[in-house]
Amino acid sequence: GQNIDQPTEMTATEGAIVQINCTYQTSGFNGLFWYQQHAGEAPTFLSYNVLDGLEEKGRFSSFLSRSKGYSYLLLKELQMKDSASYLCAPMDSNYQLIWGAGTKLIIKP
Amino acid sequence: NAGVTQTPKFRVLKTGQSMTLLCAQDMNHEYMYWYRQDPGMGLRLIHYSVGEGTTAKGEVPDGYNVSRLKKQNFLLGLESAAPSQTSVYFCASRGQGVTGELFFGEGSRLTVL
Repeated sequence: GQNIDQPTEMTATEGAIVQINCTYQTSGFNGLFWYQQHAGEAPTFLSYNVLDGLEEKGRFSSFLSRSKGYSYLLLKELQMKDSASYLCAPMDSNYQLIWGAGTKLIIKP
Repeated sequence: NAGVTQTPKFRVLKTGQSMTLLCAQDMNHEYMYWYRQDPGMGLRLIHYSVGEGTTAKGEVPDGYNVSRLKKQNFLLGLESAAPSQTSVYFCASRGQGVTGELFFGEGSRLTVL
């Protein structure tokens, strides 16, 4: 079957760095997406990885290891507005996204 | 630029009533999707469309029907609502290219009593 595993909740301090891990098992693989979702709002796109390695985009970076079925999202210089849920979503062989339940990130001053 | 627009944003139904959710996108996207999101669970795909006039079942299609008569619109229908269909529904679209990012509507919160 297809399965996504990411922590339910994480807490971090403003200005710090946090890493949100995601492990996955899918039928085939066509890349992995990370989305951000603030409470009561729609998900918004953060990153897409299809090759192994680290992709950096400003304060956010995303890493992929296809052989390990593993990805992480790294958030630097945390701001209060980063309090949100972060959704890991690998794409299977049918080009459908398989969504994790999300990691709720709480930022404390 | 409106992007993806869903109507209505909120709706309360009684068991057995019917309703239609409308999704409209102005980005000329081929692919459109209907998801539901429930607490503690990931987004689950209900139905999707890869172009005007086409629809396909997703992971949880039972109790829902869809139509894509015009490229810009994707309708989700509930013929006989059940309390298990209480959820937040999101429509999304993707441009040509199956690995492109999804653009989501604001969501429609449906409660079935």
